[in-house]
Amino acid sequence: RKEVEQDPGPFNVPEGATVAFNCTYSNSASQSFFWYRQDCRKEPKLLMSVYSSGNEDGRFTAQLNRASQYISLLIRDSKLSDSATYLCAVNVGSTGANNLFFGTGTRLTVIP
Amino acid sequence: GAVVSQHPSWVICKSGTSVKIECRSLDFQATTMFWYRQFPKQSLMLMATSNEGSKATYEQGVEKDKFLINHASLTLSTLTVTSAHPEDSSFYICSARTKNEQYFGPGTRLTVT
Repeated sequence: RKEVEQDPGPFNVPEGATVAFNCTYSNSASQSFFWYRQDCRKEPKLLMSVYSSGNEDGRFTAQLNRASQYISLLIRDSKLSDSATYLCAVNVGSTGANNLFFGTGTRLTVIP
Repeated sequence: GAVVSQHPSWVICKSGTSVKIECRSLDFQATTMFWYRQFPKQSLMLMATSNEGSKATYEQGVEKDKFLINHASLTLSTLTVTSAHPEDSSFYICSARTKNEQYFGPGTRLTVT
């Protein structure tokens, strides 16, 4: 079983729509959770960390559900510039450990 | 934010040759750097963890004699793909950690002909 599973999409949504991605992880000992954004042929860039209490950054909201072992990313009022692949990442182990596992990424296209 | 650079950004080489990719942390010291590989439409797969002053730790299925890693200083790690084959063509990305965040280099696109 993969450490991290993600629906690859693609998600095609109109501008202004709200879209949500989920990502499940298999290791209950996972300690840190992240969402990355990757544009075509570019490296991933950290979008936001995911905290236990949930966190919001502008139009983006990240949530963690430890009981069900999933994290989510909600994007409100989608912009054309949000089109990208969104990768979830899970860190198993203590700070400084290298066990950062990535999902396959979910491709989002925002349509005018 | 922290900056990680990679060189070269792309390279084309002939089958059987070796290619060296450099990864530098520009504004912080990184005792640990990571090397990932990403095939088209697939996720990043961790290849190895590069530790300054010691041997790299390779993930299962990654040949350490084929992918040579050297982390000679706190700001530089190199990955050498030896005797490259067309199936090694991929996007190689390094990253380094600072505090609790991990930053990625811009990646190196390797094409082996």
